[in-house]
Amino acid sequence: DVKVTQSSRYLVKRTGEKVFLECVQDMDHENMFWYRQDPGLGLRLIYFSYDVKMKEKGDIPEGYSVSREKKERFSLILESASTNQTSMYLCASSSGTGFLGAEQYFGPGTRLTVT
Amino acid sequence: QKEVEQDPGPLSVPEGAIVSLNCTYSNSAFQYFMWYRQYSRKGPELLMYTYSSGNKEDGRFTAQVDKSSKYISLFIRDSQPSDSATYLCATSHGNQFYFGTGTSLTVIP
Repeated sequence: DVKVTQSSRYLVKRTGEKVFLECVQDMDHENMFWYRQDPGLGLRLIYFSYDVKMKEKGDIPEGYSVSREKKERFSLILESASTNQTSMYLCASSSGTGFLGAEQYFGPGTRLTVT
Repeated sequence: QKEVEQDPGPLSVPEGAIVSLNCTYSNSAFQYFMWYRQYSRKGPELLMYTYSSGNKEDGRFTAQVDKSSKYISLFIRDSQPSDSATYLCATSHGNQFYFGTGTSLTVIP
């Protein structure tokens, strides 16, 4: 079974704090993704990575950065958290070198609240 | 027009009913189709994965793709209270991946 784990289930941070969300997958997948999910808006892609040290912007990268130093680990960084970044953050991974269309497997999510 | 459209519901059915969940998509080039189930406050879980047209069955679940009308469906037979969740459809083509916004389903005992 594919397993994607995320470092925290629930997180509460203050405005202006730097926030790190970590994701680890154990299936040797090439591709990893960060989404946020908000009611009525569905899943929105923040960043993705198709290889170690490679990253590409998704649909809503502003206010976020990512790091992928190892194949199994993909980190999302909120440089200076703001209240509009309160959301459910979901990490996903998929297999396929040079192909991002394969089925994605998701982690349990991190519910981040910024006060 | 969104790439994938999905009625948000909510949909409420009695236990044992047949449930039909549907999505439409915009691009006839889409080739891969997926259904995810998401329980409240959890991550989406892959339920079904199909390529191109036709049906795929897995237990009580059947995924159907009609490429001529750009319509994808998920049927749940003998629905159970444990099927209460949000169901998301998804499709992909090349390096693009698109999700519907999800349909909320409640199965009433």
